[in-house]
Amino acid sequence: GGIITQTPKFLIGQEGQKLTLKCQQNFNHDTMYWYRQDSGKGLRLIYYSITENDLQKGDLSEGYDASREKKSSFSLTVTSAQKNEMAVFLCASSPLGGTNTGQLYFGEGSKLTVL
Amino acid sequence: GDSVTQTEGPVTVSESESLIINCTYSATSIAYPNLFWYVRYPGEGLQLLLKVITAGQKGSSRGFEATYNKETTSFHLQKASVQESDSAVYYCALGSGVGDNSKLIWGLGTSLVVNP
Repeated sequence: GGIITQTPKFLIGQEGQKLTLKCQQNFNHDTMYWYRQDSGKGLRLIYYSITENDLQKGDLSEGYDASREKKSSFSLTVTSAQKNEMAVFLCASSPLGGTNTGQLYFGEGSKLTVL
Repeated sequence: GDSVTQTEGPVTVSESESLIINCTYSATSIAYPNLFWYVRYPGEGLQLLLKVITAGQKGSSRGFEATYNKETTSFHLQKASVQESDSAVYYCALGSGVGDNSKLIWGLGTSLVVNP
């Protein structure tokens, strides 16, 4: 089996600050994802990447940058943190489609608080 | 549009009782929807519980079952006898079925608390 590791687990920032979340996977999966989860809302896709150096925008990409410099890692940057923002960011990976369609593997999440 | 609606939590049941968590979907832009239940146990990441890609079929895992009902656009999660270890948050999700996981649409999640 494999594991997805997100760092840090908790991130506290100031308004306007640039904040970066990191994700590592050892499944050797091609595709990786960043989701945002707010209280009372479903998971919303921010960015995904189907291979090294590829980036695809999701529904919520504004205000974020992402980087996939190698297959095993996918980082997400909040370009300017918003005051009173609080959310959980989930990283996931998946193998190629076919019978694996819909099979995502998630990290435990990173909780962001902006003061 | 495409959407997923599921039972609002928390749902509280006692051990050995039966459980149903409702999930209904709207798939106006998806020709062949795939349906999923994910679960998040305390301290762990979300993980796939079961999936069904063909209407009329039933999926099962860990004592849970869900039947893909195209007529009622439902995919309810059921278990005959829950255990305390089933306490978790359950998410219903809808996919496009063409290998593109970026199109997964998620419900809000249902927190299940099983009392001993």
